[in-house]
Amino acid sequence: DAGVIQSPRHEVTEMGQEVTLRCKPISGHNSLFWYRQTMMRGLELLIYFNNNVPIDDSGMPEDRFSAKMPNASFSTLKIQPSEPRDSAVYFCASSPFPNQPQHFGDGTRLSIL
Amino acid sequence: GEDVEQSLFLSVREGDSSVINCTYTDSSSTYLYWYKQEPGAGLQLLTYIFSNMDMKQDQRLTVLLNKKDKHLSLRIADTQTGDSAIYFCAEVGSSNTGKLIFGQGTTLQVKP
Repeated sequence: DAGVIQSPRHEVTEMGQEVTLRCKPISGHNSLFWYRQTMMRGLELLIYFNNNVPIDDSGMPEDRFSAKMPNASFSTLKIQPSEPRDSAVYFCASSPFPNQPQHFGDGTRLSIL
Repeated sequence: GEDVEQSLFLSVREGDSSVINCTYTDSSSTYLYWYKQEPGAGLQLLTYIFSNMDMKQDQRLTVLLNKKDKHLSLRIADTQTGDSAIYFCAEVGSSNTGKLIFGQGTTLQVKP
């Protein structure tokens, strides 16, 4: 079975540019999570969807960050405008239901110059 | 608040057992997890334990849960060089929405 698929794997862009990260959860999973990993702060939950509806976005750092889940098989995380401090690895994870084990994608390594 | 603590580094010799420890604060957590992260890769779910269990064994992995002390451990028997990675402990937060609270990660170094 295919796992969680994220794209792109790497993104390098200049500050001020719009960045869009994409995620395809495991088929049949109803919950989708976006995390950010940095050396300083470790792994942080940004936002979580259940049945395509955002449930908890308290981890989204600023209004520059937005996430959507238009259907059960696709989600995006957008940063506009991007800043160097947004540089991190962004992970998407999915689970069958909210409290069940989460399966992670390979992440997008984002560098903002 | 919710917090998960792990020691940062563990070094063992190949063939020895490794024990990685974790403490957590939220006694209402339903599941506790162990994830493995290799360099440049995502987090791989290794194993998990439900809060009404004390122990779970899966091949070379043994998870022990002490609910009284809020202490979780992962034992890897016959540690191999391929086990070198960062190991994260995580608990489900009290909001029960599925939000995972991660520890800082323990880097396991396996020497030949």
